[in-house]
Amino acid sequence: DTGVSQDPRHKITKRGQNVTFRCDPISEHNRLYWYRQTLGQGPEFLTYFQNEAQLEKSRLLSDRFSAERPKGSFSTLEIQRTEQGDSAMYLCASSLWQGTMTPLHFGNGTRLTVT
Amino acid sequence: AQTVTQSQPEMSVQEAETVTLSCTYDTSESDYYLFWYKQPPSRQMILVIRQEAYKQQNATENRFSVNFQKAAKSFSLKISDSQLGDAAMYFCAYSSNFGNEKLTFGTGTRLTIIP
Repeated sequence: DTGVSQDPRHKITKRGQNVTFRCDPISEHNRLYWYRQTLGQGPEFLTYFQNEAQLEKSRLLSDRFSAERPKGSFSTLEIQRTEQGDSAMYLCASSLWQGTMTPLHFGNGTRLTVT
Repeated sequence: AQTVTQSQPEMSVQEAETVTLSCTYDTSESDYYLFWYKQPPSRQMILVIRQEAYKQQNATENRFSVNFQKAAKSFSLKISDSQLGDAAMYFCAYSSNFGNEKLTFGTGTRLTIIP
């Protein structure tokens, strides 16, 4: 169990650019979640996958955001035409869903700064 | 929609002493889960303790225990024998028992340990 891995750790980009983040969950975990955490706030749910299927998206996830989880392994979160309001920590978490609530395992996050 | 409120932005405690962090929540559901997560400067969210709403017995994990008052919608965390490594942001979180681990977080309490 190597834990949930996120890449990059930090990303600085200029407004209007596209960015992509990657999350590698714990290998046997079938569920993967994305959260966004702004300064001084708790994380907010964005979306989650079970295997390759995206089961739910938050209204926070505007059309500029897209997430994928091809083959049910790693996931990517892309933000197009970044805005300064997108500056935040993007957290990924995974779990092994077998019909009952199981703890989420979080990664160290990707901190995005839009200048 | 469920909400989670943490009214103490910052708390401090002397090493080896006991501290209690407060959390209240609002929900119309009868079956749910409550969690306390710790986020140290490394940024990784770490599960401290969880409580299932249908269980009347308060959860305990070593030096960490909760006081779960379902009628009052209160869920406080007690840390006994505080250690320097306990210094972190602590987030209270709620999850419905609807077949996923989507969490609603509070705004957090920053805990400082005084040597």
